[in-house]
Parts: sequence; C-alpha cells; structure tokens
Amino acid sequence: DGGITQSPKYLFRKEGQNVTLSCEQNLNHDAMYWYRQDPGQGLRLIYYSQIVNDFQKGDIAEGYSVSREKKESFPLTVTSAQKNPTAFYLCASKPRDRGTYEQYFGPGTRLTVT
Amino acid sequence: ILNVEQSPQSLHVQEGDSTNFTCSFPSSNFYALHWYRWETAKSPEALFVMTLNGDEKKKGRISATLNTKEGYSYLYIKGSQPEDSATYLCAFLGGSQGNLIFGKGTKLSVKP
Repeated sequence: DGGITQSPKYLFRKEGQNVTLSCEQNLNHDAMYWYRQDPGQGLRLIYYSQIVNDFQKGDIAEGYSVSREKKESFPLTVTSAQKNPTAFYLCASKPRDRGTYEQYFGPGTRLTVT
Repeated sequence: ILNVEQSPQSLHVQEGDSTNFTCSFPSSNFYALHWYRWETAKSPEALFVMTLNGDEKKKGRISATLNTKEGYSYLYIKGSQPEDSATYLCAFLGGSQGNLIFGKGTKLSVKP
C-alpha cells in the first residue's frame, strides 16, 4: 500500500559524524519536504524539492544537505556543521507544490547526537 | 516574520465534552490554511485544507471554520472520545508558491 517510509525510527550518533536519514514515498508525489521538530516548537522546514534534481533551502537549512536523484527518494544528511542536531525529523510529500494539496507525512526519525 | 499561533497549548477534557481550539495567522497574503491531527507514535494526518473566507468543513464529529479577513480558524470537536486524543496542528500558507508555516499545536487529552 502507498505511503511514506522513514528509516530508521531511532538513530544515535556521536558528535562530529555525518548521518543520513532516509525518506521514500510510493505515492508518485512531485514535492517532498523535510521538517524538524523540537520540544515546544512548531514544525520547521529544512529543505524541500518540487521536482527531481531540484531542491531549495527552507528556514533552517544550515548544517543540512539533501539530494533528489529519484522521484521516490529524498534523503537528508545531517552534517557535523549542524550545531544542535538532536531532534525529531519528519519527511512529507504532496502531489504538487501548491497549497491546496494536503501534505502526507512519514512516521519520523528521532536523532540523538551525543 | 510570519507567525502562526495556536491556543490553548494543551487541553484536558472528559469523554463526551465538546471542545474547540484556535489558530491565528497573518490576515494578509492568505492562500490556504491546513489542519492536521497527530496521534502519538503515528504520522500527522490531514484533516482539512481551507481556502475560502467563511469556509466551514466537517469530517464526522470534527469541523473547522475559517475567517481570512481577521486571521483565525476554529477547530471544533463535538462529543470528544478518547481516540480524539492527539496534537492538532494548523499551518498557514501565504501565497501559492510559499511553504507551510506551522503553529506549535494544541495537545488534546480526552479522559474516559
């Protein structure tokens, strides 16, 4: 059945290491998004992609990188340059980058960096 | 800086109570307002996407209204059930090419 998968559910890394979070969708959606959630805050946009081989920075892109080589996949790399990487990360997608379409979310990955 | 405010931050009600929460957003350059329900250990799921001033949408016991001129939306739950316990998120879109700006959410707990 269709949906968005994120793996792993929990991820632990040592400070200074890069780590890549997976996001895959089989909904044939064009647009994909990465959000970060911190306690007491709303979801904040890290990066988004409207089409394969194209992506744009969101509000908090520093210390992160993405790629969009396939329509189904939008991996997020948390680099060692990200000052406070411990957070809950959500991936989302929707048919086109228009506001009248709802976003479909994955189950999230909780990253802990020590 | 665009700001989306949700109130209250949390709410505890008894089964059978009706409840409502508020989402406030900028009244200029409005394009759409989204409501999502986020149950613990699950993915957020869309409830409503609202675009027109005065719009009212309903899904079962849950309904929402929209006032774009004054910049607010209400979400109502009639006869709350324990399965309604979740965090309810609203998100504002200003302009067709913009990105969603999320509020911090209202966490609802319904006691049996």
